Amino acid sequence: AQRVTQPEKLLSVFKGAPVELKCNYSYSGSPELFWYVQYSRQRLQLLLRHISRESIKGFTADLNKGETSFHLKKPFAQEEDSAMYYCALRGGGATNKLIFGTGTLLAVQP
Amino acid sequence: DTAVSQTPKYLVTQMGNDKSIKCEQNLGHDTMYWYKQDSKKFLKIMFSYNNKELIINETVPNRFSPKSPDKAHLNLHINSLELGDSAVYFCASSPAAGVLYGYTFGSGTRLTVV
Repeated sequence: AQRVTQPEKLLSVFKGAPVELKCNYSYSGSPELFWYVQYSRQRLQLLLRHISRESIKGFTADLNKGETSFHLKKPFAQEEDSAMYYCALRGGGATNKLIFGTGTLLAVQP
Repeated sequence: DTAVSQTPKYLVTQMGNDKSIKCEQNLGHDTMYWYKQDSKKFLKIMFSYNNKELIINETVPNRFSPKSPDKAHLNLHINSLELGDSAVYFCASSPAAGVLYGYTFGSGTRLTVV
């Protein structure tokens, strides 16, 4: 079964502290993974694609096939990073359907 | 110049009513989607159309019916609204089905059924 698990509903850190938002997936094929961010009452925005191996707003995410993980990391959190973060897996077949995790709310305290 | 626009932004209505939410994208994308975000912020796909053809129809009550008059529009009609339909509904689009692209989301429609 295709599944995305984000074990933490809420992650609270202080400004300047490192951040790691956990994401684990279940998928039989070669996974295609994304991180989306939703700031308060705004639309979801694509943050990262694993295939791009990019760093956006200081965030990075590495695909670990052995651990079936795609954790999102940032070395120094900023208050403006406070948002809901969703990990997503592209399901198989021709539909391009994205399966989302339940999301983690990141709260960065001053 | 909004890429994916939804109307209305807010919708408050009584149980039993019928309502529609409209979505339009000006990105030239072939594929459009409807997602539901419930009170616990969980996102679940409802429907997807590729170039006016229905390609995803998840387990959704028959009261929900999508309509795509052309590939730039995907509307969602809901009959006999129930309290449990209260949620934020997001429209999204992507360049093509079956290709590795992220989605572009609309800003959401907050539906409240009273």
